[in-house]
Amino acid sequence: GNSVTQMEGPVTLSEEAFLTINCTYTATGYPSLFWYVQYPGEGLQLLLKATKADDKGSNKGFEATYRKETTSFHLEKGSVQVSDSAVYFCALSASGAQKLVFGQGTRLTINP
Amino acid sequence: NAGVTQTPKFQVLKTGQSMTLQCAQDMNHNSMYWYRQDPGMGLRLIYYSASEGTTDKGEVPNGYNVSRLNKREFSLRLESAAPSQTSVYFCASSEAPSGRGGTGELFFGEGSRLTVL
Repeated sequence: GNSVTQMEGPVTLSEEAFLTINCTYTATGYPSLFWYVQYPGEGLQLLLKATKADDKGSNKGFEATYRKETTSFHLEKGSVQVSDSAVYFCALSASGAQKLVFGQGTRLTINP
Repeated sequence: NAGVTQTPKFQVLKTGQSMTLQCAQDMNHNSMYWYRQDPGMGLRLIYYSASEGTTDKGEVPNGYNVSRLNKREFSLRLESAAPSQTSVYFCASSEAPSGRGGTGELFFGEGSRLTVL
């Protein structure tokens, strides 16, 4: 079946550090891939997405590239800020599937 | 543009009481979903509605019922609340699945925080 595996957290970094949160997936066909972010006390909001192989999604300084050969969609940011502290979820939508498949989430804390 | 609106935002119940969580979306989306999120855990799908007039069970449907009232509204009912149902509940909507005219992207509400004593 379809599944998403995320880097386990929590992850703690200092401000301005480089961030990578790993995400790999298993799916048939060509899924769409997403990163969602959940700030404390809020709902999930879409951070970025990619709908086909080699697409790069980007938003707010975050990037992720859809790599079909390695079935990965790793989230990166060159210089994190305290305001990036949140829980990050990787997710996939398999072609034709009604439901999104979520990873377990990675809690990120950025210290000043 | 309101997006997905959930009510109430907070609720405290006693064991055995019933309540309904309301959700409405104004994006003309076909599909709607109810998730629960427990502390330190990810999201678990309770029920979903692929289109108006249809509902299906998700991973954790026991103890819940849903109604897709119309295209805009999707309610979640707890008939006899239990402490194990203490959680944060999220409603979400989607235009269409990936490969069927959409990307499968979900739009979430802000959540309803339920405590059952």
